[in-house]
Amino acid sequence: EVQLVESGGGLVQPGGSLRLSCAASGFTFSSSTIHWVRQAPGKGLEHVSAVSSDGGTTYYANSVKGRFTISRDNSKNTLYLQMGSLRAEDMAIYYCARLMFGDWGQGTLVTVSS
Amino acid sequence: QSALTQPRSVSGSPGQSVTISCTGTSSDVGGYNYVSWYQQHPGKAPKGMIYDVIKRPSGVPDRFSGSKSGNTASLTISGLQAEDEADYYCCSYAGGYTWVFGGGTKVTVL
Repeated sequence: EVQLVESGGGLVQPGGSLRLSCAASGFTFSSSTIHWVRQAPGKGLEHVSAVSSDGGTTYYANSVKGRFTISRDNSKNTLYLQMGSLRAEDMAIYYCARLMFGDWGQGTLVTVSS
Repeated sequence: QSALTQPRSVSGSPGQSVTISCTGTSSDVGGYNYVSWYQQHPGKAPKGMIYDVIKRPSGVPDRFSGSKSGNTASLTISGLQAEDEADYYCCSYAGGYTWVFGGGTKVTVL
């Protein structure tokens, strides 16, 4: 059974930083492109970032480019999202997902507030 | 990348069929057979209902079906049931490592 378990969310002040993690199991993690998708309160889904199976290629939405960094550790089957210079509009539930196969985690909530 | 276009809401009575459209461009929906559909109940994570335009993950009822014509994909729910009331999002591969979502459609069971 595919499992994606996010962690690391919480309350952070504007301008602060946070690192999200996503622990994967049930599939060959090192062969899969993995994504971060977020959902602001009451809003739709937004594709935020992606990383290739070997970590060599990354993608960022314009809204987070230069502030967020995606990475992965294939030896630990774990995906990361380092978020910096956080803004109120970054407040959302962040999901890790294998979009090609429709697998999603349960999400972790990031709250940006002073 | 612009979001895919979905109707804000659709509704139907139990037992009826409803269809949700998802319109993109030749750079996303029309260019690849990687359209997926997600069901989301309030407070819950999205659940995959359709992937690769027409495929159903195991455990998804066959009342749910997907199709595509040109730049528009569709999700049809046949034999509508009360538990189908939820938000539905389409998603399409758009080249490189880019994926784009629709704005979501609220399905109401009357």
